[in-house]
Amino acid sequence: QVQVVQSGAEVKKPGASVKVSCKTSGYMFTGYYMHWVRQAPGQGLEWMGWINPNSGDTKYEQKFQGRVTMTRDTSITTGYMELRSLRSDDTAVYFCARSHENDFWAFDPWGQGTLVTVSS
Amino acid sequence: QSVLTQPPSVSGAPGQRVTISCTGSSSNIGAGHDVHWYQKLPRTAPKLLIYGKTNRPSGVPDRFSGSYSATSASLAITGLQAEDEADYYCQSYDSSLSAVVFGGGTKLTVL
Repeated sequence: QVQVVQSGAEVKKPGASVKVSCKTSGYMFTGYYMHWVRQAPGQGLEWMGWINPNSGDTKYEQKFQGRVTMTRDTSITTGYMELRSLRSDDTAVYFCARSHENDFWAFDPWGQGTLVTVSS
Repeated sequence: QSVLTQPPSVSGAPGQRVTISCTGSSSNIGAGHDVHWYQKLPRTAPKLLIYGKTNRPSGVPDRFSGSYSATSASLAITGLQAEDEADYYCQSYDSSLSAVVFGGGTKLTVL
């Protein structure tokens, strides 16, 4: 079955970078876009952008432009999200999610989430 | 301030019906972009409940249904159960922002 498994929790200092991985299995990796969404403590869901695993093309939400890079390694069916110049308000759970098979902008399934804590 | 507006909270007794509204604008729901609904339990990933305004993924009970009109959408939950207590989010695409947008989330309490 389709599985999406993310890397473990990270603790980073302000100004550092973090790279979260999203290992997929059970479907054609290059056939579905991968999206990244985050949720800060006590806050709602926030979309960060997408990557086309086939071409490597990306689209980032304007708020994250210049600080985020989404990449993929098709040989191991894994996507990555790197966020740089971390601030305390980047503390959040980061999710990867696949485009739904019938609707590009619906997300299913999701990874389990990766907690990134930014603290000095 | 979220682009899509949801009530912060709703509640209902077991067995009752509740609805959660999602109000957008002419650049998202009103532009014909699909609306999707997610259920979010603490410390778990969001779960897709409704996609394309009214469609249920396989495995989602038919107690959950979606509807829409003009610039808004709604999620209805019938036969409320204790396990339905969660946060619910609507999501769409906004043409003006060229971005995916979420509602602020609605906390459902089963009394």
